[in-house]
Amino acid sequence: AQTVTQSQPEMSVQEAETVTLSCTYDTSESDYYLFWYKQPPSRQMILVIRQEAYKQQNATENRFSVNFQKAAKSFSLKISDSQLGDAAMYFCASSRDDKIIFGKGTRLHILP
Amino acid sequence: DVKVTQSSRYLVKRTGEKVFLECVQDMDHENMFWYRQDPGLGLRLIYFSYDVKMKEKGDIPEGYSVSREKKERFSLILESASTNQTSMYLCASSPTIYYEQYFGPGTRLTVT
Repeated sequence: AQTVTQSQPEMSVQEAETVTLSCTYDTSESDYYLFWYKQPPSRQMILVIRQEAYKQQNATENRFSVNFQKAAKSFSLKISDSQLGDAAMYFCASSRDDKIIFGKGTRLHILP
Repeated sequence: DVKVTQSSRYLVKRTGEKVFLECVQDMDHENMFWYRQDPGLGLRLIYFSYDVKMKEKGDIPEGYSVSREKKERFSLILESASTNQTSMYLCASSPTIYYEQYFGPGTRLTVT
């Protein structure tokens, strides 16, 4: 079965520092999509960043960027200049057929 | 902005009751999804629908059914609620499977 693994259940980072959240996935598909979603406390889940597997270039969205290593099936999220508002659960996800498979999440704490 | 609404934020039901969770989206999206979110397990797909009156089982459909009579509305039904269905239920919609999923605020269901 296709899986998405987030090996860090919780992480902490000092405000203004950089943090990287890890994600590995397993797929047999040749074309697929990868996502990072953010779920702030008691708030709705929102998309942070999306990567199309056929694109070599790593996706970036302002302070958020990914390190996509297709051969290693790795898709890590880097958050630069961490802010208090970045505190949330972060979920990595991968497309599978006509569905999306989510990892178990990483809870990110921002230390003031 | 896309809006996905869920009928209740919090719900308390008794074992054996029939429970309806409603989800409405206002962006004419083809695809709608129901997930349950449990600590340490991430998001698990219960059912999804890619068109009116169409439904597909996700990874954990047992004990649940769904209804999609209109494009904007996707209902999750617990025919006979059990305590192991106590969870956070998230609804989502998207225009295509490979695009961003827009999530509702969630319904925290407690079955006693």
